[in-house]
Amino acid sequence: NAGVTQTPKFQVLKTGQSMTLQCAQDMNHEYMSWYRQDPGMGLRLIHYSVGAGITDQGEVPNGYNVSRSTTEDFPLRLLSAAPSQTSVYFCASSDYDGQDTQYFGPGTRLTVL
Amino acid sequence: AQSVTQLDSQVPVFEEAPVELRCNYSSSVSVYLFWYVQYPNQGLQLLLKYLSGSTLVKGINGFEAEFNKSQTSFHLRKPSVHISDTAEYFCAVSVDNYGQNFVFGPGTRLSVLP
Repeated sequence: NAGVTQTPKFQVLKTGQSMTLQCAQDMNHEYMSWYRQDPGMGLRLIHYSVGAGITDQGEVPNGYNVSRSTTEDFPLRLLSAAPSQTSVYFCASSDYDGQDTQYFGPGTRLTVL
Repeated sequence: AQSVTQLDSQVPVFEEAPVELRCNYSSSVSVYLFWYVQYPNQGLQLLLKYLSGSTLVKGINGFEAEFNKSQTSFHLRKPSVHISDTAEYFCAVSVDNYGQNFVFGPGTRLSVLP
C-alpha cells in the first residue's frame, strides 16, 4: 500500500494564481481531510469529507475549495492564491470513526509570493 | 467543542535523560486521545492513543502516556531519550461525532542534545 500520497511536494505561486493540490489514498478510507500547518499553530482543519460526494468546511475554509468524486481522491483547490496561504498542507485519511488513527501524507510546501 | 493545550512549545533535553511533554484538553463529552510525532520534513505518524481501559498507554519507540480524567491531561513520557527522538509532538483529541473528529494542539518541539 502506498498509503496517502500528495503532489506536488513543493510549489511556488504568484498572488492571484490558482492551483490544485492532489491527495490520494489506497486504504479505502471514508474520511479524508485537509490541514494547514503554520508555526506555533499546530494543524488547522480546512475541509473534510466523510465519503464520496460529501464535503464540509473545517476551521479555516476561506479561499479553498474541495470535491470528492471518488473514495480515493480528495483534491484541494486554491482559487486565487494569497501570501496568507503560504503554509505546509497535509492530507489525511481514516476510517469514519473517532477512534481511528489518521494517516497523513508527506505534505506540500506552498509559497505564495 | 474540544480544545487542546500544550503548554511547552519547546523542550530541550540531553540524550539519555527522561522527558515529559504535557497535554491538557477540554471537552464536554468523552474523548479519545492521541499523540502524533512529526520528524523533520515528514508527515505526522501515530505514537499512541487512548480509547478506553487502562489509563497507561504504551506506544512506539519507548513512549508512554497516562490519561488522567480528573486533571483532563494526557502527558507523554519517555524514560531515556535518543537523538533520533528530536521531532515535533502533537497531542490530539477526538470524539464520536459526525464530521470534524480531530482537534490538534499547537505542538511541542523536542530537541535532544548530545
